[in-house]
Amino acid sequence: AQSVAQPEDQVNVAEGNPLTVKCTYSVSGNPYLFWYVQYPNRGLQFLLKYITGDNLVKGSYGFEAEFNKSQTSFHLKKPSALVSDSASYFCAVKEGSSNTGKLIFGQGTTLQVKP
Amino acid sequence: EAQVTQNPRYLITVTGKKLTVTCSQNMNHEYMSWYRQDPGLGLRQIYYSMNVEVTDKGDVPEGYKVSRKEKRNFPLILESPSPNQTSLYFCASSLLPSGYNEQFFGPGTRLTVL
Repeated sequence: AQSVAQPEDQVNVAEGNPLTVKCTYSVSGNPYLFWYVQYPNRGLQFLLKYITGDNLVKGSYGFEAEFNKSQTSFHLKKPSALVSDSASYFCAVKEGSSNTGKLIFGQGTTLQVKP
Repeated sequence: EAQVTQNPRYLITVTGKKLTVTCSQNMNHEYMSWYRQDPGLGLRQIYYSMNVEVTDKGDVPEGYKVSRKEKRNFPLILESPSPNQTSLYFCASSLLPSGYNEQFFGPGTRLTVL
């Protein structure tokens, strides 16, 4: 079965420290991978995507993600966390065989950045 | 401003009372979806539409209906709501199918069915 896993429900980091939010996937074919962020009481916002090419993808607000095919992972990273990065983060992957482009979402990870 | 709007933002209703949640986008997107978000489950797709008059079921379509009579609007209809439909609902739109490019999400509708 095709799936996305975010193994951590919550990640806590201190402001200024690097952060990582983990995501692993299982799909057939080449994966199309996404990260979205959800601030409190808001809809999801697109951060970045990987379709093909360079394994390190840069996105909005200083975030980046590293695609690792052998480990089937797409971890979200930021070199220096800000308090304003506190939000929920969702990894998503296009269902490999889907010609409708259907996305499978992970369950989300809440990031808390403390001053 | 490019946006997806949903109404109402909050709704408390009773079992069996039909309701409609509206969704509208101003970006001329062909692809629209409805999701529900439940704790620990992430987002699950209810229905999607690839264009006017073209809709199809997502992962959790039971108890829901949709229509796409105009490109900009994609209402979600609950003919006979039940308590297990209490959830946070999001409408989203994109230029291409959601798995190929960025989706734009509405602000969400928090529905409580008593």
